[in-house]
Amino acid sequence: QITLKESGPTLVQPTQTLTLTCTFSGFSLNNYGMGVGWIRQPPGRALEWLALIYWDDDKRYSPSLKTRLTITKDTSGNQVVLRMTNVDPVDTGRYYCAHRGPMAGGVVASYDIWGQGTMVTVSS
Amino acid sequence: DIVVTQSPLSLPVTPGEPASISCRSSQSLLHTNGYNYLDWYLQKPGQSPQLLISLGSNRASGVPDRFSGSGSGTDFTLRISRVEAEDVGVYYCMQGLKSQTFGGGTKVEIK
Repeated sequence: QITLKESGPTLVQPTQTLTLTCTFSGFSLNNYGMGVGWIRQPPGRALEWLALIYWDDDKRYSPSLKTRLTITKDTSGNQVVLRMTNVDPVDTGRYYCAHRGPMAGGVVASYDIWGQGTMVTVSS
Repeated sequence: DIVVTQSPLSLPVTPGEPASISCRSSQSLLHTNGYNYLDWYLQKPGQSPQLLISLGSNRASGVPDRFSGSGSGTDFTLRISRVEAEDVGVYYCMQGLKSQTFGGGTKVEIK
């Protein structure tokens, strides 16, 4: 059974760096085909994809946030860290991590398991 | 960047009746492997999103067969054959061909 859980600060001051950790079980990010992505949701608004890292350390970023984001995975294969620099109140929202893996025909696609999310408020 | 547009924004539905949501992409989502990189997710009130349909038309594990996805290229549709009360929430499509982009969401509520 795959589970994911996000953790990090609930309150961050503007211009600081936000560091979020996704701890998961039921799969290893050292195994072929596995990926973990980050998605956020401002209060009352739509989902926004942020970043994705694959088992082979291939990393993808939202073009609009690319300069501010860094995604990494630890060597144990069960944690992913997302760093966002120079945060602003518009970065306030719930941040989710989600598992991405092989779907139909073995094609790696889709976020099939999501964490509960962690709420982050950016305010002074 | 690929832009994904959903319609309608809001969809009042009657239990037992069918419903459909449209998703249009600014570029074709058809990969050379023959799959369309378009997913559908449902976010029920107060919950995390859940995968309904993967790669355009493949129901995710545990998803009732009243949900179906169709389409190819730039035009996609999510259909619910007979809406149930538990289907209320916000539905999102997401393209995964180049980077990833979510649509703006469609809120489904019971009339």
